[in-house]
Amino acid sequence: NAGVTQTPKFRVLKTGQSMTLLCAQDMNHEYMYWYRQDPGMGLRLIHYSVGEGTTAKGEVPDGYNVSRLKKQNFLLGLESAAPSQTSVYFCASRNPGQGILKHFGDGTRLSIL
Amino acid sequence: GQQLNQSPQSMFIQEGEDVSMNCTSSSIFNTWLWYKQDPGEGPVLLIALYKAGELTSNGRLTAQFGITRKDSFLNISASIPSDVGIYFCAGQPPLGGSQGNLIFGKGTKLSVKP
Repeated sequence: NAGVTQTPKFRVLKTGQSMTLLCAQDMNHEYMYWYRQDPGMGLRLIHYSVGEGTTAKGEVPDGYNVSRLKKQNFLLGLESAAPSQTSVYFCASRNPGQGILKHFGDGTRLSIL
Repeated sequence: GQQLNQSPQSMFIQEGEDVSMNCTSSSIFNTWLWYKQDPGEGPVLLIALYKAGELTSNGRLTAQFGITRKDSFLNISASIPSDVGIYFCAGQPPLGGSQGNLIFGKGTKLSVKP
């Protein structure tokens, strides 16, 4: 049982490039989340999804897009990467009845030069 | 938006010492959570608190949901070297919606005393 898997684990991009981060969960969870973590900061919510085909904005959504075409996958896209998007990105998932968030991936470390 | 003030930002521990940290907010929360994060890994849930005044333990860790619903405390007793890491509090606001979105503190970094 892998839980929440994020790919890639590391990536370096040039300003203006695009890329997609993949989050996959094998627990049949309805809710999935994308957070970013910056030095000395707590996790901040970028986007989230409460089910296949639905997405919603979180606290810091600008510059990102997401898609939830399959229940088990939640994709985070950067259309035109900026240095301000250098961060560690975490995905998480849960079911509605669980009430708390306890399944996180190990993160994707993204550097934008 | 709502914010959590977590303190201290960092602290050094010596093996065997007790450790305390806390989170405060100007707003109330329905749920308080405490996580630990090791380098290169995602947060791991340590303790979840669901009602005001609740005191919950997980081994050497004890956390409390403040009676005003605006704060929470985490205590670690008899610290050991593997306790080093970053500890985050997180709160679920009443209007967080059915999605249960969380507000995270900035973390308390525990390091070993040189």
